[in-house]
Amino acid sequence: DGGITQSPKYLFRKEGQNVTLSCEQNLNHDAMYWYRQDPGQGLRLIYYSQIVNDFQKGDIAEGYSVSREKKESFPLTVTSAQKNPTAFYLCATGKGGNTDTQYFGPGTRLTVL
Amino acid sequence: GEDVEQSLFLSVREGDSSVINCTYTDSSSTYLYWYKQEPGAGLQLLTYIFSNMDMKQDQRLTVLLNKKDKHLSLRIADTQTGDSAIYFCAERSGGYNKLIFGAGTRLAVHP
Repeated sequence: DGGITQSPKYLFRKEGQNVTLSCEQNLNHDAMYWYRQDPGQGLRLIYYSQIVNDFQKGDIAEGYSVSREKKESFPLTVTSAQKNPTAFYLCATGKGGNTDTQYFGPGTRLTVL
Repeated sequence: GEDVEQSLFLSVREGDSSVINCTYTDSSSTYLYWYKQEPGAGLQLLTYIFSNMDMKQDQRLTVLLNKKDKHLSLRIADTQTGDSAIYFCAERSGGYNKLIFGAGTRLAVHP
């Protein structure tokens, strides 16, 4: 995960506010992914992007939005419509394609106060 | 639907071997992965195995795949305290760039 950075590491948000989580990579990977991790559960896919200017919804996209204007960056916005946003958010990247292996960033812990 | 299951907890003595098990449901899975997560950190890729393989060994790690029973295991030889972490099994659904994760197995190594 040396080439994937997520910021901030900890984020606090008041109810009703939107907040944007950053994910940047210098691995020249085409594909980028956002996952959510809750205690005692596996990771669930929020959004993913296989190429610049294109992205698809994952299993739990409601209340989230993304953009992919640059290859290196895939920011995730947690909107006020997300009912239970407190979680650990993980960004991953990969070369893309059917043999893609995903590599993870260090994560951002979001807490809603 | 797709599902991956793991036992939630494993405790081993330092120096012993650890075996973490995983079952999956998607028979079209192409790759299966093992990731390690230490507290407060992201996931670290440990190893992966292609679905046409039965076994893969990488230093202290041995992965066994029984495709008929849809069972995957990770064996860690000579387990050390630094191996204490949560281990996630994940499968890649055939023809789709999506990983399905298990809930993770927490490995505790005691002296």
